[in-house]
Amino acid sequence: DIQMTQSPSSVSASVGDRVTITCRASQGISSWLAWYQQKPGKAPKLLISAASSLQSGVPSRFSGSGSGTDFTLTISSLQPEDFATYYCQQANSLPFTFGPGTKVDIK
Amino acid sequence: QVQLQESGPGLVKPSQTLSLSCTVSGGSISSGGYYWNWIRQHPGKGLEWIGYIYSSGSTSYNPSLKSRVTISVDTSKNQFSLKLTSVTAADTAVYYCGRNPFDSGGRATNWFDPWGQGTLVTVAS
Repeated sequence: DIQMTQSPSSVSASVGDRVTITCRASQGISSWLAWYQQKPGKAPKLLISAASSLQSGVPSRFSGSGSGTDFTLTISSLQPEDFATYYCQQANSLPFTFGPGTKVDIK
Repeated sequence: QVQLQESGPGLVKPSQTLSLSCTVSGGSISSGGYYWNWIRQHPGKGLEWIGYIYSSGSTSYNPSLKSRVTISVDTSKNQFSLKLTSVTAADTAVYYCGRNPFDSGGRATNWFDPWGQGTLVTVAS
């Protein structure tokens, strides 16, 4: 299985801050990576696919980059509704695996 | 707009079989072009992909659960289902169903969108 790691595990930030989350795959996955946002008691929501493709309706302050083994999710200016947990997921090979998550909370 | 909704018992006894269904609305499972997935999340923990099924009935399972999992599809009801046998407390989780779309070239993208709202299944006597 491909192991996914994320850093940091949590980050405290203020509204307006730039937040960067890193995801690393245990082996190369090209651009087969997705990012999800999950709020408490809710299902994950797909934000970004193919490492950098923003889903329809997702604010442009979210962006993704990377390929191979190292990937980044950036929130350019944190908004109140962005406080949540973010997960990466490799879509390259079975079984699909997720990172452990990064919790973004209020500073 | 496609929506998915999980249903099934919220409490299952140890050693018994967990059975859940996912009803798809706003689209037809039989139209093809998607894998239909089950994913779970242990309380306060991360996400684990369980497996998927295509409208034809072809399946793929996570090897960690393969010996206990069966995913089936009922196109007449526009539903797909999960059975997990011999459950233990370690199977207590929120179970989600999710759609995995194919791209324009007919290749599965392997990300999940949308998801159902999830259903908590507790394994306890």
